[in-house]
Amino acid sequence: EADIYQTPRYLVIGTGKKITLECSQTMGHDKMYWYQQDPGMELHLIHYSYGVNSTEKGDLSSESTVSRIRTEHFPLTLESARPSHTSQYLCASSEYSLETEAFFGQGTRLTVV
Amino acid sequence: RKEVEQDPGPFNVPEGATVAFNCTYSNSASQSFFWYRQDCRKEPKLLMSVYSSGNEDGRFTAQLNRASQYISLLIRDSKLSDSATYLCVVSGSNYQLIWGAGTKLIIKP
Repeated sequence: EADIYQTPRYLVIGTGKKITLECSQTMGHDKMYWYQQDPGMELHLIHYSYGVNSTEKGDLSSESTVSRIRTEHFPLTLESARPSHTSQYLCASSEYSLETEAFFGQGTRLTVV
Repeated sequence: RKEVEQDPGPFNVPEGATVAFNCTYSNSASQSFFWYRQDCRKEPKLLMSVYSSGNEDGRFTAQLNRASQYISLLIRDSKLSDSATYLCVVSGSNYQLIWGAGTKLIIKP
């Protein structure tokens, strides 16, 4: 089992609220990622990080922000949630190498009402 | 054109049959290749890495064709539990992983 954890697993929240999705890994991985995935659809990379104090935007434009103050922690924040943010958010991590796999958390299923 | 392309399926296959998926990629400099499996409403998990010489893991065989820039996954003697979406993943620039959209496989009893 991968040692990467996401909380909460499920979240229903009202429009306009600020939310933070947590992601932590205990594998010491430098690289961490946030993906967004709608049911039955493909993964979209929204943020990634190469290490502490490194954050980059991914391929899919997102109104969320991330931070990487500690190696093991990569939280994602939405300042003002909207119904269009309803989706599943998957966090992943990997070693800084081309040949290693990415390990995923179990995801946070977000519903904005 | 997408960097990694897969047939979305679904592939409806009877139990016990052999099924093959192909995946094409556009970056000739890609060095690492993977097949992941994703069950419905679950996170993706690594099925197998794909090596230049091809590799086999039980009923699963993965092959890489660098000249034609495609990788394949063969599943023999398919089981009901093989029903899932299979994701092709290729390394891109800046140590990124480029994900295909996935091929959905449905094994019928």
